[in-house]
Amino acid sequence: DGGITQSPKYLFRKEGQNVTLSCEQNLNHDAMYWYRQDPGQGLRLIYYSQIVNDFQKGDIAEGYSVSREKKESFPLTVTSAQKNPTAFYLCASSPGQPVTEAFFGQGTRLTVV
Amino acid sequence: KQEVTQIPAALSVPEGENLVLNCSFTDSAIYNLQWFRQDPGKGLTSLLLIQSSQREQTSGRLNASLDKSSGRSTLYIAASQPGDSATYLCAVEGPNAGKSTFGDGTTLTVKP
Repeated sequence: DGGITQSPKYLFRKEGQNVTLSCEQNLNHDAMYWYRQDPGQGLRLIYYSQIVNDFQKGDIAEGYSVSREKKESFPLTVTSAQKNPTAFYLCASSPGQPVTEAFFGQGTRLTVV
Repeated sequence: KQEVTQIPAALSVPEGENLVLNCSFTDSAIYNLQWFRQDPGKGLTSLLLIQSSQREQTSGRLNASLDKSSGRSTLYIAASQPGDSATYLCAVEGPNAGKSTFGDGTTLTVKP
């Protein structure tokens, strides 16, 4: 089945730790995205990548880092510099041109303990 | 900076009613507008995508319209069912290609 897989579903982080969220897609999409969702709010764009080995900051990139070494993979690292990382993180992909549909993974819920 | 607003934030209706969800955006230079459904604790499911050159799209009981000049879109749900209960989000791509801005969503409850 084609789709986007995020792992893990739940993740707990201690203060001061870096954690990496996984996002893999087998849709052969060029573009991939990371969003953060806080309770009762919409999605805010963290980073996006329109092609392998290239990515751009979104609206709330501070405290996060990404890589795009393979077309199918776009991992997100939440660093210790992110002061309020507890949130629901969503990964998406699209064929990469404007006027195309975005497809989402099932999300990772990150909690700082 | 593109801003997207969805009204109302929450809506409760009895089963069988027709309803309209609203989405407005501040910058009309968009590539497309997409409506999504989100169930609690889950990812987003795409419902309808309207290209900037289109006026509306339909899928089953759902109809979405787009008026770019006024910066508005509506999602019409006919004959609502309890299974329609979810949060509905609209997202606008543009003016920067590849960058979408989301509204905060409308949480719909359909009572049996």
